[in-house]
Amino acid sequence: DSGVTQTPKHLITATGQRVTLRCSPRSGDLSVYWYQQSLDQGLQFLIQYYNGEERAKGNILERFSAQQFPDLHSELNLSSLELGDSALYFCASSVGPTTYEQYFGPGTRLTVT
Amino acid sequence: EDQVTQSPEALRLQEGESSSLNCSYTVSGLRGLFWYRQDPGKGPEFLFTLYSAGEEKEKERLKATLTKKESFLHITAPKPEDSATYLCAVQTYSGGGADGLTFGKGTHLIIQP
Repeated sequence: DSGVTQTPKHLITATGQRVTLRCSPRSGDLSVYWYQQSLDQGLQFLIQYYNGEERAKGNILERFSAQQFPDLHSELNLSSLELGDSALYFCASSVGPTTYEQYFGPGTRLTVT
Repeated sequence: EDQVTQSPEALRLQEGESSSLNCSYTVSGLRGLFWYRQDPGKGPEFLFTLYSAGEEKEKERLKATLTKKESFLHITAPKPEDSATYLCAVQTYSGGGADGLTFGKGTHLIIQP
């Protein structure tokens, strides 16, 4: 158990809908990262937050957004969902912005029908 | 653009048969190279971080090494419980702060009893 929690574990929704994925980092970690894992693309970095502020962006679509709250939990919002958004979404956390080890949560499996 | 290539894509070994997994990378400035283990439907589990060429790290039956162009994950006398997908990732310098990891597609390792 990495100490990173994610909810829900599974999510099934229809195209065009909007969903929110939630992540709580390990105790003491200030950085949160979001990743998407699909069969064809592998694990891809989406976005990073550090202590409530956006720190870095990867391959995140404009339909997706995230935020980190004062209690350090983070939410990833996915809107106007398409079939191709079906994937595993992972959250990871690390102690600080320049600390390298990232610890991953168990993931949320999103299925768009 | 940072690139990480892992080989082989899949590897089947007999229990006790040692082997190595390869991760070659092309990056502008390496901050760190990471190895993770991922079981089906689970989040990646952190194994090692390597920072500079010549560095080696060991954990039980696993040993990771790093050169200027590639990293190897050596598995000595593996057991069936070592079966998993092994992921390699890099983190690079990009104007300060820890950015997301760039992952390879992984090596799917099966250890047969």
